[in-house]
Amino acid sequence: DGGITQSPKYLFRKEGQNVTLSCEQNLNHDAMYWYRQDPGQGLRLIYYSQIVNDFQKGDIAEGYSVSREKKESFPLTVTSAQKNPTAFYLCASSPLNPGTEDGYTFGSGTRLTVV
Amino acid sequence: AQSVSQHNHHVILSEAASLELGCNYSYGGTVNLFWYVQYPGQHLQLLLKYFSGDPLVKGIKGFEAEFIKSKFSFNLRKPSVQWSDTAEYFCAVKSGGSYIPTFGRGTSLIVHP
Repeated sequence: DGGITQSPKYLFRKEGQNVTLSCEQNLNHDAMYWYRQDPGQGLRLIYYSQIVNDFQKGDIAEGYSVSREKKESFPLTVTSAQKNPTAFYLCASSPLNPGTEDGYTFGSGTRLTVV
Repeated sequence: AQSVSQHNHHVILSEAASLELGCNYSYGGTVNLFWYVQYPGQHLQLLLKYFSGDPLVKGIKGFEAEFIKSKFSFNLRKPSVQWSDTAEYFCAVKSGGSYIPTFGRGTSLIVHP
């Protein structure tokens, strides 16, 4: 079945450590996204990418970094510079053509807790 | 930049009650509109979408939404909710030639049996 796989589901990190969240898709989608979900704030865009080796900052990119070395993969690194990293992180993908009938496919998320 | 407003942050209903969740957006051009649902412990799923044509869109599980261009709105409705509709609902808008959606803050719906 096609879909998006995020791992791990739960992640604990000590303050001052970097941590990388995995996102893999087998939908052959060009665009991939990372969102952060906090209670009452909805989904806020961290980074997005429309093509391999290219990505753009979203609304809350500070303290995060990404890479897009393969079309299928879009890992997110939460660095020690992120002041409030405890959150639920969602990865999504979509076709690039705005006229597509498809929506956005989401992964099941990673809950990161800084201890 | 476009914005999406969901007016109801928390809604509590009894089973069989009717539901309407508001969604307004700020972009004045061509838009694609979506409603997503997130059931407890599950990932976001597409409920319904509007790209063009009939402004009354029917989705899964008896949900529907109406696109009213003059009001910049895309409200979600269901005539009779069930306990299993308890979830968080997100409205999203994609404008013009962009492929990036903007999401609203979400509405938490609790349905009492």
